[in-house]
Amino acid sequence: QKEVEQNSGPLSVPEGAIASLNCTYSDRGSQSFFWYRQYSGKSPELIMFIYSNGDKEDGRFTAQLNKASQYVSLLIRDSQPSDSATYLCAVSFTGTASKLTFGTGTRLQVTL
Amino acid sequence: KAGVTQTPRYLIKTRGQQVTLSCSPISGHRSVSWYQQTPGQGLQFLFEYFSETQRNKGNFPGRFSGRQFSNSRSEMNVSTLELGDSALYLCASSVGTANQPQHFGDGTRLSIL
Repeated sequence: QKEVEQNSGPLSVPEGAIASLNCTYSDRGSQSFFWYRQYSGKSPELIMFIYSNGDKEDGRFTAQLNKASQYVSLLIRDSQPSDSATYLCAVSFTGTASKLTFGTGTRLQVTL
Repeated sequence: KAGVTQTPRYLIKTRGQQVTLSCSPISGHRSVSWYQQTPGQGLQFLFEYFSETQRNKGNFPGRFSGRQFSNSRSEMNVSTLELGDSALYLCASSVGTANQPQHFGDGTRLSIL
């Protein structure tokens, strides 16, 4: 069973701090990794994706991959109250490139 | 560019009925995937269609089926509804080549009475 695991949280960080969200995956051969943000009552919104060849930075968001330990991280710098949401990690496993397996999400709370 | 459009947004049905949900992908996207989201199970993959063919399938019973039309629009059908089918059903589209990101619609919230 190929799995994606996330700590459900809540992860609480003060406004302006760095939020660090992690996700572990079971298939060493996985090639693509996605982070989605989901506000309560809304659908998931894609915020970052990376491939097995490297990390990516986009504004306040950085996605990092540690292939040896099989985890992917999302760092949110200068956290804002509007970042408070559930962050879903999704992985495309080997042999199922067009199918995403999601973690259960980490709830982030940014406090004033 | 218009996003993924799902209709209807809300549905209320009773046990034993059937339901059809619709999804129009982003223009140019040929792949449509369907997911079920519940508080207990999270996001679970139902199936994916590409060029009118089911390309991937999750672990759901045969009561859940889908199809895709030549214009890439997709429908999902659930027959003999059960209380446990109450969920948010999400459709996501992508260009269809390997490892490309998927973009979600707003979902259809299905409630079974």
